[in-house]
Amino acid sequence: EPEVTQTPSHQVTQMGQEVILRCVPISNHLYFYWYRQILGQKVEFLVSFYNNEISEKSEIFDDQFSVERPDGSNFTLKIRSTKLEDSAMYFCASLQGVDRHEQYFGPGTRLTVT
Amino acid sequence: AQRVTQPEKLLSVFKGAPVELKCNYSYSGSPELFWYVQYSRQRLQLLLRHISRESIKGFTADLNKGETSFHLKKPFAQEEDSAMYYCALTRHGSSNTGKLIFGQGTTLQVKP
Repeated sequence: EPEVTQTPSHQVTQMGQEVILRCVPISNHLYFYWYRQILGQKVEFLVSFYNNEISEKSEIFDDQFSVERPDGSNFTLKIRSTKLEDSAMYFCASLQGVDRHEQYFGPGTRLTVT
Repeated sequence: AQRVTQPEKLLSVFKGAPVELKCNYSYSGSPELFWYVQYSRQRLQLLLRHISRESIKGFTADLNKGETSFHLKKPFAQEEDSAMYYCALTRHGSSNTGKLIFGQGTTLQVKP
């Protein structure tokens, strides 16, 4: 069964550094998402992406964040200048169509900012 | 504002006992409700959705619009049901981007 994959599984970075988290969604899916989960807190929506543009973003998704689908396969989340509070588990998800409802999640990338 | 509330962080039951994981939501429009499950060291996966009205692994959930609830139930818990359970909501209709709003999650621990 096809799966969403994410790399790396764990990323450690210093405050102020740029990080890129990578995701490969399921190939025939059209909608892509990033969520994050700070330790002990709920899973929070960051951004949705459809037809090569952001369709919705949360207030968390400020100018420090950007997403890209550079090659029709990968879906990336970039944080330009990481802060300590960006430490979290970041989940990528993909969806075939909004009427299909089932989002398929990746295993997550644990980002640790020191 | 859209919100999903799961009041229990941890629910601990014995094998064979009934289970009810509570979920309440607030949303002004017409929502779609889901339960996602995360077993130890595995990814989040869909357990069930209210529109399909199905039973998965013995779990059921009924949307109660009057009480704005979508509680997850199982009559006889099994040890393999031990996991983290998340209730989630998405908008229904033309403005739907598929964005999911999650509750805090409830850890279900089924003891032998």
